[in-house]
Amino acid sequence: EADIYQTPRYLVIGTGKKITLECSQTMGHDKMYWYQQDPGMELHLIHYSYGVNSTEKGDLSSESTVSRIRTEHFPLTLESARPSHTSQYLCASSDPRGGDTEAFFGQGTRLTVV
Amino acid sequence: QQQVKQSPQSLIVQKGGISIINCAYENTAFDYFPWYQQFPGKGPALLIAIRPDVSEKKEGRFTISFNKSAKQFSLHIMDSQPGDSATYFCAASKGSGGYQKVTFGTGTKLQVIP
Repeated sequence: EADIYQTPRYLVIGTGKKITLECSQTMGHDKMYWYQQDPGMELHLIHYSYGVNSTEKGDLSSESTVSRIRTEHFPLTLESARPSHTSQYLCASSDPRGGDTEAFFGQGTRLTVV
Repeated sequence: QQQVKQSPQSLIVQKGGISIINCAYENTAFDYFPWYQQFPGKGPALLIAIRPDVSEKKEGRFTISFNKSAKQFSLHIMDSQPGDSATYFCAASKGSGGYQKVTFGTGTKLQVIP
């Protein structure tokens, strides 16, 4: 069982609200990622981080922002939520010291913007 | 563009049968090919992975076949069980040491019927 946690699991929020999706891992992994996944669809990388104070945008353009002040914590923020942001958001981490690049995923946050 | 193409989109297999999911990639720089299994309401979890220096890897009922010249790889699930019903994602990544970005396929929803 991977030690990576996302909160909340489900969130329904009104348009224009600011939201922060939390992601924490206790494995000491330097690399962390945020993916966006629509139901039954593929995962799209929206943000990643090499380590503390390092953040980069992924393949899919996203209006969200991320921060990495601590190794174990990688929150994602939407300043003004819109219905187009409705999706599932998956956080993951990996250990660069390992020979392979297994990514450990959290259970996801299903966001609905009404 | 879709760098990793996966088929079929959905698959129904009788219990005890063989499930086969295929993936094709374009970027010859990819050097790590994992398969992830995702159950409803959960994040994806690594199932099995292969590097291009081998043509086949087997772990229990799960086998990856890899064809480097054709840039294709496939997942075979022998003696498929209802508990195998899930969405399967193939993936590919490149690079070593530094950031290793994982590109996912579009997913295959497998249903194993009794």
